[in-house]
Amino acid sequence: DVLLVASGGGLVQPGGSLRLSCVASDFNLGLYILTWVRQAPGREPECIAYISPTSRTIYYADSVKGRFTVSRDNAKNSLYLQMDSLRVDDTAAYYCARDDFWGQGTLVTVSS
Amino acid sequence: VVTQSPVTLSLSPGERVTLSCRTSHSVGTYLAWYQQQAGQGPRVLIYDTSSKATGIPARFSGGGSGTDFTLTISSLDPEDSAIYYCQQRGSWPYTFGQGTKLEIK
Repeated sequence: DVLLVASGGGLVQPGGSLRLSCVASDFNLGLYILTWVRQAPGREPECIAYISPTSRTIYYADSVKGRFTVSRDNAKNSLYLQMDSLRVDDTAAYYCARDDFWGQGTLVTVSS
Repeated sequence: VVTQSPVTLSLSPGERVTLSCRTSHSVGTYLAWYQQQAGQGPRVLIYDTSSKATGIPARFSGGGSGTDFTLTISSLDPEDSAIYYCQQRGSWPYTFGQGTKLEIK
């Protein structure tokens, strides 16, 4: 089955860091534009990062620019999100996504 | 800005429904629809206005172009009770509408 499995979420204090990973199964992740999307409780989703197949084009939402870094390793069929200087309002479920399919998400909680 | 209507609606099984999504600028056909059932993550229903994602039932269809888009469910099933979001992918940042909450009586 085609899968995107995200991991790396957890509880972190404000100002801390986390690195999310997303591994693809049963398809070549290197062929696709990928995004990270997050959804805070009770809110609509928010696209926070975009990366092209060769990593040549990268975009960030203003809400995470300068704090988050998206990367990919196509040889490992993997996508990453390095999250630094985390804030309470970064608390959300984080999903890796391609145009027609999302992974199952990993929960990030930022709290003291 | 992406605006969805209506905000909520309550319909009976077997009825036909059309949800609306309007964007503040043209996005071509780069418009997607998602379904989010209670307690679950969003699921892609439709991408590129009318392309159905894998495993999506035939009763779901999408249409439109430019700034006005629709999601139609031809015959409602109780399992269609969910929040439906549209998302424009015409320009970054990709943005979502506020959602339409659909209740099946």
